Amino acid sequence: NAGVTQTPKFRVLKTGQSMTLLCAQDMNHEYMYWYRQDPGMGLRLIHYSVGEGTTAKGEVPDGYNVSRLKKQNFLLGLESAAPSQTSVYFCASNEAFGEQYFGPGTRLTVT
Amino acid sequence: DAKTTQPNSMESNEEEPVHLPCNHSTISGTDYIHWYRQLPSQGPEYVIHGLTSNVNNRMASLAIAEDRKSSTLILHRATLRDAAVYYCILRDTNFGNEKLTFGTGTRLTIIP
Repeated sequence: NAGVTQTPKFRVLKTGQSMTLLCAQDMNHEYMYWYRQDPGMGLRLIHYSVGEGTTAKGEVPDGYNVSRLKKQNFLLGLESAAPSQTSVYFCASNEAFGEQYFGPGTRLTVT
Repeated sequence: DAKTTQPNSMESNEEEPVHLPCNHSTISGTDYIHWYRQLPSQGPEYVIHGLTSNVNNRMASLAIAEDRKSSTLILHRATLRDAAVYYCILRDTNFGNEKLTFGTGTRLTIIP
């Protein structure tokens, strides 16, 4: 099993550009999450999903959109990137009441 | 969500036991105590969790106070690979509430 994978690993964007981060899991988990981590801080929840076709806002959802069209994929979109969105983005998934499995992260820089 | 309090940093010598404390005085009856750790440049990984009784697994032990207002993660014999940020997290067991709320954790440094 590959576990949780994230694409891309690194990306540099100019202010105002858009992009989509892809998270994929092969463990048939219902729950999926997108977090961001800024230097010296813990992870903060952006959006999450409790099943295919559902999404919900987390702690810091502004400036991001998500979609869960397939159970195994969770997409995070930035419509108009801002320097404040420079961060490391982590995806995670879990089955009900189970441990969360995290991806390796995507390092995004917005100039 | 109930909050946890951890020291910002700790140091320990290699091959010695490490005790990482966590205070959670506002814990509710349905909160499990979870520990995750984050190695440098990696995503967090699960370490251990418990509700009331002490727990052991291949990675660590979790000692929970009788009143559940504090807990201690125990690494029995620290190695250099255990250098990481350790997060103590309370997770509600109510169905559908699967979210984890991360604080800033404890940065553990292992001295060779």
